[in-house]
Amino acid sequence: EPEVTQTPSHQVTQMGQEVILRCVPISNHLYFYWYRQILGQKVEFLVSFYNNEISEKSEIFDDQFSVERPDGSNFTLKIRSTKLEDSAMYFCASFAALAGGNTGELFFGEGSRLTVL
Amino acid sequence: SQQGEEDPQALSIQEGENATMNCSYKTSINNLQWYRQNSGRGLVHLILIRSNEREKHSGRLRVTLDTSKKSSSLLITASRAADTASYFCALNQAGTALIFGKGTTLSVSS
Repeated sequence: EPEVTQTPSHQVTQMGQEVILRCVPISNHLYFYWYRQILGQKVEFLVSFYNNEISEKSEIFDDQFSVERPDGSNFTLKIRSTKLEDSAMYFCASFAALAGGNTGELFFGEGSRLTVL
Repeated sequence: SQQGEEDPQALSIQEGENATMNCSYKTSINNLQWYRQNSGRGLVHLILIRSNEREKHSGRLRVTLDTSKKSSSLLITASRAADTASYFCALNQAGTALIFGKGTTLSVSS
């Protein structure tokens, strides 16, 4: 069964360092997302990406964050200068498409746990 | 965008009992989805119900949607210890990404 894969599973970094989280979405999917979940809290939307550009982003997704699809398979989230409050589980998700532009079933990866010290 | 609000926040039941979780929201939606998350894992899609649907079933899951009351419920029948997880409702509004609620933590003891 196709799946979304994320690397690394866990990354520990020092405050102020740059971090890149990688995702390989399901191959025929067109819409890609990053969500994050601070331990024990809700799942928060960060950004959506379609047709090689950001289609929507939340208030959390400020200038410290960027996304890229450098090739036909990878989808990356970069945090330029990490802060303590960036410590969270980051989830990548993808889906194919639904008629009418509605969002259908998202397929999530297992997440990348980021710990900022 | 607005999130759904799940109720209760936590639910503890015995194996074999039914579990009911509710989700309320405030704006119009295109569809509402339920997801499950085992501790420390990714979210897994359970069921999607469109705004023009009132009820859907999938195995032991039953989801209802009342757009006049802006609420949905997820019923898990004959629960098992393996159903222990967090359950989230997610709202799809026109042209926006899925927005998740805070979730209900279900604990099923044997």
